[in-house]
Amino acid sequence: SQKIEQNSEALNIQEGKTATLTCNYTNYSPAYLQWYRQDPGRGPVFLLLIRENEKEKRKERLKVTFDTTLKQSLFHITASQPADSATYLCALVYSSASKIIFGSGTRLSIRP
Amino acid sequence: DARVTQTPRHKVTEMGQEVTMRCQPILGHNTVFWYRQTMMQGLELLAYFRNRAPLDDSGMPKDRFSAEMPDATLATLKIQPSEPRDSAVYFCASGLEGRTYEQYFGPGTRLTVT
Repeated sequence: SQKIEQNSEALNIQEGKTATLTCNYTNYSPAYLQWYRQDPGRGPVFLLLIRENEKEKRKERLKVTFDTTLKQSLFHITASQPADSATYLCALVYSSASKIIFGSGTRLSIRP
Repeated sequence: DARVTQTPRHKVTEMGQEVTMRCQPILGHNTVFWYRQTMMQGLELLAYFRNRAPLDDSGMPKDRFSAEMPDATLATLKIQPSEPRDSAVYFCASGLEGRTYEQYFGPGTRLTVT
């Protein structure tokens, strides 16, 4: 069965640095790979999506890469701020099979 | 400001009781998802509807859980009978297929079964 691994349960970064989160998967590459942000006590919020034929996507301070050879996506937050502290989830979307699988998330803390 | 609504937000019940959770998806969305989130298992997909028809409910314990969409503005998730291991936060999400499967999540229902 498909497995997803997100790097370390928690990541601590100094404000202003770039935070890099990893999402690795096994078996088949998804049609889409999504990244969500989740704050305590709230539902996940969609951030970015990248398709299997795309290498990189950007939105403001966020950048996502997708390497289907390595079976890996990297999620970068540049010029990180304490307000970026949250749990970040990756999700694999297998549209042809109507399957969506979420990773367990990485808790990111940005210290001032 | 369109958003997914869920009721109740919190529910405490005794083992063996029936629990019904409700979700109102965003108007115009044609996909609805039910998820369960726990510390141990993370976010697990329980059911997935497209145009009110169930597409995938393989993640749902069939003997006690049921999910329905009586109409386009209401999705329900029912547990009967409830067990302590069902304690979790249950999220509903909606989306518009063809728009890259982006999902909009509700605030969740925190269920505690004693």
